[in-house]
Amino acid sequence: AQTVTQSQPEMSVQEAETVTLSCTYDTSESDYYLFWYKQPPSRQMILVIRQEAYKQQNATENRFSVNFQKAAKSFSLKISDSQLGDAAMYFCAYRSWGGAQKLVFGQGTRLTINP
Amino acid sequence: DAGVIQSPRHEVTEMGQEVTLRCKPISGHDYLFWYRQTMMRGLELLIYFNNNVPIDDSGMPEDRFSAKMPNASFSTLKIQPSEPRDSAVYFCASSLWGPGDSPLHFGNGTRLTVT
Repeated sequence: AQTVTQSQPEMSVQEAETVTLSCTYDTSESDYYLFWYKQPPSRQMILVIRQEAYKQQNATENRFSVNFQKAAKSFSLKISDSQLGDAAMYFCAYRSWGGAQKLVFGQGTRLTINP
Repeated sequence: DAGVIQSPRHEVTEMGQEVTLRCKPISGHDYLFWYRQTMMRGLELLIYFNNNVPIDDSGMPEDRFSAKMPNASFSTLKIQPSEPRDSAVYFCASSLWGPGDSPLHFGNGTRLTVT
């Protein structure tokens, strides 16, 4: 079974600076999807970014980018120019390419933005 | 697009009572998922449906839990009888195709407290 590990329960960063959240995963599959979700205090889960494992190019979405290292099974999220609205829980998630549609989530990292 | 709608937002009940959580997915979405979030276990998939048919219920903790999707626009998650350890936030989510191929849209969750 696949597992996702986020080793940083909490992180903090100064507003306007850059922060990187770590995620590692364990799988024997060669094709899969990886995701980062954001959960603000409102509780809603919001998709931040996704990466297909077959793509070598790292995904980017505005101030959010990932560093996908397939061999190391690492998938970190970089947030540039941090804003107060970025404060939230961030969850890394894994999904197999075919078959089961379930997302496997990590335990989350709570990100605090200091003004 | 009204998003995924869950009700109630909060539910407080006594041990032994029946609890019904409701979900209206985004119109046209073929997949519907029920997740449970707790501090100890994080986000866990309970069950998911494809075209109203339950596909994988291996995450349902025990027979006290049941889920139905009588039509494409409505699903329920029922707990009978409820226990204090069922206290959690329950999320419903939907996607157009599988969540790797199209974004997974979450509702705002139902916070269940069983006393």
